[in-house]
Amino acid sequence: AQRVTQVQPTGSSQWGEEVTLDCSYETSEYFYRIFWYRQLFSGEMVFLIYQPSFDTQNQRSGRYSVVFQKSFKSISLVISASQPEDSGTYFCALSELYRGSALGRLHFGAGTQLIVIP
Amino acid sequence: AQTIHQWPVAEIKAVGSPLSLGCTIKGKSSPNLYWYWQATGGTLQQLFYSITVGQVESVVQLNLSASRPKDDQFILSTEKLLLSHSGFYLCAWPDWGGAGAETLYFGSGTRLTVL
Repeated sequence: AQRVTQVQPTGSSQWGEEVTLDCSYETSEYFYRIFWYRQLFSGEMVFLIYQPSFDTQNQRSGRYSVVFQKSFKSISLVISASQPEDSGTYFCALSELYRGSALGRLHFGAGTQLIVIP
Repeated sequence: AQTIHQWPVAEIKAVGSPLSLGCTIKGKSSPNLYWYWQATGGTLQQLFYSITVGQVESVVQLNLSASRPKDDQFILSTEKLLLSHSGFYLCAWPDWGGAGAETLYFGSGTRLTVL
């Protein structure tokens, strides 16, 4: 069964616009984390931001922030003032505790390919 | 600071031929190490997980095997490649970085094409 769902396979924005990418997940754990990564066209995976389940405050890092709706098991990545360099594929990933490691199992969504038009 | 080296960068191999991909991490002792696989246009799937030398746990069966011969090295291999093995292979490790929590970092990957 799909643990992490990203329903938008593609998206686009104009330079300077705010972009929102959606993700929903399934878990029965109390403690978990949601990570967002961007995959460059080279294949390189770049960590962007994460949200711990126990923190009700939406996390923020530079131009990236999240909107965390825990009761709905959904989280959105918001990119402010998007730039062409933000183009790439964005992956949402669910991390649950496994064998004592918070990163023992990471379940990735299918990704959303974003194009930012100059 | 840790450095991770994945080799080779890319491989084109014939069906039925053997394969060996490697990953070496420096600057971090006894790291947990992971292999992930991504089919072209697909998502990332965890294949193997190792917490120490000689210990490897298989997560997904893809007719591949992995070994941890040294503390800083993780090897992915098979004796007979299948067409379905094509894709992008990423080695990963957890670290604290600047995120305020343990985060998974990825190597630059190996692109494998099986013909």
